[in-house]
Amino acid sequence: SQQGEEDPQALSIQEGENATMNCSYKTSINNLQWYRQNSGRGLVHLILIRSNEREKHSGRLRVTLDTSKKSSSLLITASRAADTASYFCATDEYPGNTGKLIFGQGTTLQVKP
Amino acid sequence: SAVISQKPSRDICQRGTSLTIQCQVDSQVTMMFWYRQQPGQSLTLIATANQGSEATYESGFVIDKFPISRPNLTFSTLTVSNMSPEDSSIYLCSVDRDLNRETQYFGPGTRLLVL
Repeated sequence: SQQGEEDPQALSIQEGENATMNCSYKTSINNLQWYRQNSGRGLVHLILIRSNEREKHSGRLRVTLDTSKKSSSLLITASRAADTASYFCATDEYPGNTGKLIFGQGTTLQVKP
Repeated sequence: SAVISQKPSRDICQRGTSLTIQCQVDSQVTMMFWYRQQPGQSLTLIATANQGSEATYESGFVIDKFPISRPNLTFSTLTVSNMSPEDSSIYLCSVDRDLNRETQYFGPGTRLLVL
């Protein structure tokens, strides 16, 4: 079953603006990951944040994690038209180390040039 | 990272038929997974493909409908059996390369349309 809820479901912004997407989950986790999917193709791993981390940066990406609220956010700064895609959060199965991921419903981002 | 290929990339099939999807990785991996993504939806894990033993299926998925093979550490197949239009989805394989089983790498997906 899907435990991740993401909002907004769809987001449309102008190039250069920042985009923020949120993800909530229900169970304990080892880590939370964000993936990008372009036009129904394969997923690309963006960033991983562990349960003992609160914030992580990678280029124009900033991820936060609040385990007390069971939520995470992904911020894309200075967005580009090429950032147009669907973004998914995914949590691993805890306890255990099975490698299985549970995906959120996703946010569709459109960046207008 | 891992280079993963899937065949076919897309197919249109008639109901009642079966389709076997192949997933090939460029190097040996421990874990391989199969996901389904229904139109406009997120990904749902179908099963974990275990090398040398039967696949481990998630709730709602059964071996008779989605038989999986994993003959070695670089290859797996997923068969969608006795297809119906509800099986129209993107099917993706993924692999777990990291020793700590964190990051997964996904294949490009197989887009299936059942008429």
